[in-house]
Amino acid sequence: IAGITQAPTSQILAAGRRMTLRCTQDMRHNAMYWYRQDLGLGLRLIHYSNTAGTTGKGEVPDGYSVSRANTDDFPLTLASAVPSQTSVYFCASSAALTYSPYEQYFGPGTRLTVT
Amino acid sequence: GENVEQHPSTLSVQEGDSAVIKCTYSDSASNYFPWYKQELGKRPQLIIDIRSNVGEKKDQRIAVTLNKTAKHFSLHITETQPEDSAVYFCAAIMFSGGYNKLIFGAGTRLAVHP
Repeated sequence: IAGITQAPTSQILAAGRRMTLRCTQDMRHNAMYWYRQDLGLGLRLIHYSNTAGTTGKGEVPDGYSVSRANTDDFPLTLASAVPSQTSVYFCASSAALTYSPYEQYFGPGTRLTVT
Repeated sequence: GENVEQHPSTLSVQEGDSAVIKCTYSDSASNYFPWYKQELGKRPQLIIDIRSNVGEKKDQRIAVTLNKTAKHFSLHITETQPEDSAVYFCAAIMFSGGYNKLIFGAGTRLAVHP
């Protein structure tokens, strides 16, 4: 059982380029999340998905989009990357969004550098 | 607004000593409080959590206490070991905008010296 996987592990991207970060979970969790973690700061929610077919905006959604075509996959797209999007991106999942259990489990992260 | 404050930002202890990290939260309706440990270059890992219907929970050397009246909760690590060195994040669940979301504290960097 892999849990949550993310790809790529790391990426250097030129400003203005489009990039999709991939996230897949095999726990059949309904809810999935994308966070960014900047140096010295905590985790900030970018987007979330309650269940397949639905998505919502978190604290810092600007410049990012997501889709949830099925239960397992939750890709994050940067349409036109900017240097301020340099960060470590974590995908997470939980069994549910609006009711217990609330435990969230994190993927290994993607380190993105925008130059 | 919705926030979780965490103190201290850094904590240095000698091996065998205890470590305490404290968090306060803003939403009195919050009912779930997890703690995550993040080692350098790794993902955050859930180490313990507490729900609002209990005041304390223990798991071996770690314990969490919750004071709902004061809206604060704490992580206690006893008999610290060098492998406890990591960044610890507290979080509180808050209902806003139609969904439950975890609001994280800014983290505490714990260093345990042999």
